[in-house]
Amino acid sequence: DGGITQSPKYLFRKEGQNVTLSCEQNLNHDAMYWYRQDPGQGLRLIYYSQIVNDFQKGDIAEGYSVSREKKESFPLTVTSAQKNPTAFYLCASAKDRSSSTEAFFGQGTRLTVV
Amino acid sequence: GQQVMQIPQYQHVQEGEDFTTYCNSSTTLSNIQWYKQRPGGHPVFLIQLVKSGEVKKQKRLTFQFGEAKKNSSLHITATQTTDVGTYFCAPGSSASKIIFGSGTRLSIRP
Repeated sequence: DGGITQSPKYLFRKEGQNVTLSCEQNLNHDAMYWYRQDPGQGLRLIYYSQIVNDFQKGDIAEGYSVSREKKESFPLTVTSAQKNPTAFYLCASAKDRSSSTEAFFGQGTRLTVV
Repeated sequence: GQQVMQIPQYQHVQEGEDFTTYCNSSTTLSNIQWYKQRPGGHPVFLIQLVKSGEVKKQKRLTFQFGEAKKNSSLHITATQTTDVGTYFCAPGSSASKIIFGSGTRLSIRP
């Protein structure tokens, strides 16, 4: 089945540790996105990538880093510089960089930092 | 990128009542998409509107794009408990990034 997979579903980390969230898609999509969602809130764009080996900062990139070494993979690292990392993280992909293509989302990763 | 205001933030209705959420932009949009996120789930694409004045229907859901392409609405007729969730609009962006409105959370009294 084609789709977008995020892992793990739940993640617990100690404060001060870096943590990497996985996002893999087999839809052959060029564009990939990372969003953060806090309880009862909307989706805020962290980083996005329109093509392999290229990515851009979104609205809340501070304290996060990404890589796009392969078309199907777009991992997000939450660094210790992120002040409030506890949140629901959603990865999405779209066919291309056009604004008229729909986004497909993964199931999300709930990160809790204690 | 394009910014939109989505209203209302919350809507609590009796099952069977209608529901409408609005998405408003200060600038002309190339297109607009709508997504639904069930509680605890991930957003799922519902529809895309492209043409001025466009109206599309999906069963009890009616989507409209304004004549000036600056606003859009989603109307649900006779809500059911399965309609519970948060509805997001996402305006088309020349920057090729997908930005979402703040969402309208719909809850329903059975």
